[in-house]
Amino acid sequence: DAGITQSPRHKVTETGTPVTLRCHQTENHRYMYWYRQDPGHGLRLIHYSYGVKDTDKGEVSDGYSVSRSKTEDFLLTLESATSSQTSVYFCAISESGLAGGRETQYFGPGTRLLVL
Amino acid sequence: QKEVEQNSGPLSVPEGAIASLNCTYSDRVSQSFFWYRQYSGKSPELIMSIYSNGDKEDGRFTAQLNKASQYVSLLIRDSQPSDSATYLCAVKFNYGGSQGNLIFGKGTKLSVKP
Repeated sequence: DAGITQSPRHKVTETGTPVTLRCHQTENHRYMYWYRQDPGHGLRLIHYSYGVKDTDKGEVSDGYSVSRSKTEDFLLTLESATSSQTSVYFCAISESGLAGGRETQYFGPGTRLLVL
Repeated sequence: QKEVEQNSGPLSVPEGAIASLNCTYSDRVSQSFFWYRQYSGKSPELIMSIYSNGDKEDGRFTAQLNKASQYVSLLIRDSQPSDSATYLCAVKFNYGGSQGNLIFGKGTKLSVKP
């Protein structure tokens, strides 16, 4: 298994509070991703990073921000959580973003977030 | 808008049968194709990747790619109850030379009956 951990694994919070989810990898992979998974929508990309301090938006980035100050850590922040952000959040990593094999993504165990 | 379509299922097959999972995608200029398996409450795990037209076999799994028809399929031979899961198809699109991200289908739920 790829060395990816996510914390916390479960969180319940209230609307309007800030929330930070952490993804930590031990593979020294360059690329890291944050997805959310919701019934009827599948996996959707929130943000991704292609290096330290290099990040970009995905399909559903509104209401989320990210930071990557070290290769191994990628943080996802909900500045002011809303009930629509209740979801399961997955972190993924890949060696590269270029096609040919090393772009294969491996997923962390996920974080279940409930916003009341 | 790049799209990846899968039949949501559930697809039910008897133990020992061949399960056939299909996926279509919207863009001819696609580079890489992946099948992930996701058990309920767990994270997606990679089963197969395929990059060229034709078949790729790995144990009981065979991925088939037809770029002209824009579909990719996954065959599971000798299906077992432990294969019961949701199978996600993912496609990496090529945006005019720049590297795009993976687009996932919504998944097909497979149930293998003993």
